[in-house]
Amino acid sequence: GAGVSQSPRYKVAKRGQDVALRCDPISGHVSLFWYQQALGQGPEFLTYFQNEAQLDKSGLPSDRFFAERPEGSVSTLKIQRTQQEDSAVYLCASSFPSPPAQYFGPGTRLTVL
Amino acid sequence: GQNIDQPTEMTATEGAIVQINCTYQTSGFNGLFWYQQHAGEAPTFLSYNVLDGLEEKGRFSSFLSRSKGYSYLLLKELQMKDSASYLCAPGRDDKIIFGKGTRLHILP
Repeated sequence: GAGVSQSPRYKVAKRGQDVALRCDPISGHVSLFWYQQALGQGPEFLTYFQNEAQLDKSGLPSDRFFAERPEGSVSTLKIQRTQQEDSAVYLCASSFPSPPAQYFGPGTRLTVL
Repeated sequence: GQNIDQPTEMTATEGAIVQINCTYQTSGFNGLFWYQQHAGEAPTFLSYNVLDGLEEKGRFSSFLSRSKGYSYLLLKELQMKDSASYLCAPGRDDKIIFGKGTRLHILP
């Protein structure tokens, strides 16, 4: 497809489990962003890649969160030892450097029990 | 740091016009985005203003005043499908900073 895709769309994890969320950006998009969105809030920045380089990870809430984009295309957001407060929708977006508009995938809704 | 202020909720009537205002303060500002987000869906890109002034795109227009840290989104000829949240989002360096959004309710 032409848009950003994410998988899985829904994930239920028991507290303490590790999860991996995948993002396939729009073909040719250089930049890739991860956001966390809680109910009733706007998306909160987590981390950002330009090609395979992680240029900013200042939004990752703890060292349990890790993201990678080894070949500059597909990206994975990994959360270790999940906690209930990690329950949220995780959005991925991609863009060219210019124009800088970001295009979002459908998100992964993570529920930690 | 950054601060984004927009109304939490607004209500308008089908066929009418509504203006959603946003004020922002952010370092490294490089432009202002507006996104639309329907409940349970991902945000979709509406507009991007770099220079001061009004940009029109169909039923939607967006205005920016960089000196005042002010933007608005104008929606004309409202349709029921316009019921959604509208996110004012200043660009900062390589990133976009999202506000909490304005939830717009359209009445028939």
